[in-house]
Amino acid sequence: DIQMTQSPSSLSASVGDRVTITCRASQSIGTYLNWYQQKVGEAPKLLIYAASSLQSGVPSRFSGSAAGADSTLTISSLQPEDVGTYYCQQCSSHPITFGQGTRLEIK
Amino acid sequence: QVTLKESGPVLVKPTETLTLTCTVSGFSLSDTRMGVSWIRQPPGKALEWLADIFWSDGKSHGATYLKNRLTISKDTSRSQVVLTMTNVDPVDTATYYCVRTNWNRGITYYFDCWGQGTLVTVSS
Repeated sequence: DIQMTQSPSSLSASVGDRVTITCRASQSIGTYLNWYQQKVGEAPKLLIYAASSLQSGVPSRFSGSAAGADSTLTISSLQPEDVGTYYCQQCSSHPITFGQGTRLEIK
Repeated sequence: QVTLKESGPVLVKPTETLTLTCTVSGFSLSDTRMGVSWIRQPPGKALEWLADIFWSDGKSHGATYLKNRLTISKDTSRSQVVLTMTNVDPVDTATYYCVRTNWNRGITYYFDCWGQGTLVTVSS
C-alpha cells in the first residue's frame, strides 16, 4: 500500500498569509493526487484533483502542484473560512490511501 | 442535483455484521467513469477508504487489511450500493460516508460528491 505523510500536522496562520501544506508518498505517484478540505461537522469537499486541477466552484486562491512523490497545496491568501482540516489522497493505485490530515487555524 | 444518502444501524454489537446502504440519484449510472466508494472516519481521526465499485462493469476494490471482512455490491435497478462488514469491533466505530467516485482510468480518480455520513457505534 502507498503511505501518505502530510506536514505539518497542524498550523496556525494569519488572515492574508500564504499557506503551504505538503504531502509525501512512499513511492512516486506523479500527478495522481487529490486534496480535500473538511470543516468541523461536515463531509469533506474536493478542492484539487490530478495534483493541480481546481474543482469547479473552488476559489482560485487554492492551488496544487506535484513532483515525483511530493505534492503541495497552497492557499495564496488565507481567509477565515479556510479553517478546517486538509487531506491529501493518492489515486496512483488501489488501495486508495489518505494522508493523516493537516489542521489549519487562524491566528 | 447529485445526492448520496447513507442508511443503516446506528448501533451494532461486537462480532455482528454491519450492513450499510447508499442510495444515489442525479447522475448517470451508465457512465463508465462513475462509481461509489465507502470511506470512514473514526471520531477525531483521519479519513480511511474502504472500498469502491463501478456501475458499468461492477468491478470493485477493497482496503487490503479489511478485504476478508468487507463486501461491496450494487443494485442498479434501485440505484443502491451496499457495504457489508463482518465481525465488527469497537475500533470500527466511525462515521461512514458514501461518496461518488469519478474514475477516468489512467488519468484521474477522485471523490467529488459526498453523502452526509452516518455515525455507526460498535458497542455491547
